[in-house]
Amino acid sequence: AQRVTQPEKLLSVFKGAPVELKCNYSYSGSPELFWYVQYSRQRLQLLLRHISRESIKGFTADLNKGETSFHLKKPFAQEEDSAMYYCALSLNNTDKLIFGTGTRLQVFP
Amino acid sequence: DTEVTQTPKHLVMGMTNKKSLKCEQHMGHRAMYWYKQKAKKPPELMFVYSYEKLSINESVPSRFSPECPNSSLLNLHLHALQPEDSALYLCASSPQGGTAYNEQFFGPGTRLTVL
Repeated sequence: AQRVTQPEKLLSVFKGAPVELKCNYSYSGSPELFWYVQYSRQRLQLLLRHISRESIKGFTADLNKGETSFHLKKPFAQEEDSAMYYCALSLNNTDKLIFGTGTRLQVFP
Repeated sequence: DTEVTQTPKHLVMGMTNKKSLKCEQHMGHRAMYWYKQKAKKPPELMFVYSYEKLSINESVPSRFSPECPNSSLLNLHLHALQPEDSALYLCASSPQGGTAYNEQFFGPGTRLTVL
């Protein structure tokens, strides 16, 4: 069955520290993976997608098919990065998006 | 207009009521989605309309009835709901249907309380 796992419910770091939000997936097809973010009192929005191989707001994520992972990383966290982060898996040739349980990132000053 | 809008923002209804949630986008997107999100949980897909046809129904109870009158508008009709249906209902849209690659654009949600 298709599944997305985010093992950490809460990740707390100090400003300037490196951040890694973990995401593992289970899918027999070719995965399309995304990171969505929800800042306080804002709507859910796309942060980045693996197919674009881009860096957004200093965040990067690399798809590791061997480890079935798509961890989100940022070398120096900022207070404005505090938000809820969801890893999501899109199934081939469908409109279906499966979300992980989410990780709340808190960045302290 | 580059946003997905949802009305109403809040809705309180009794178990015998009939109400509707509305979602609108004017970005020319051809796929529209309904999600249900309970507190401290991720969004769960309910329905997908692709090119104005229902393409996915995630075994949602019949007390929820989706409707897509045109490519810009998506409704969710509610009837005889249960208290456990209380949640945030999110609408989303994406440029194309039937593909895994598209970004989904989310609305702010309607917070539904069933008494």
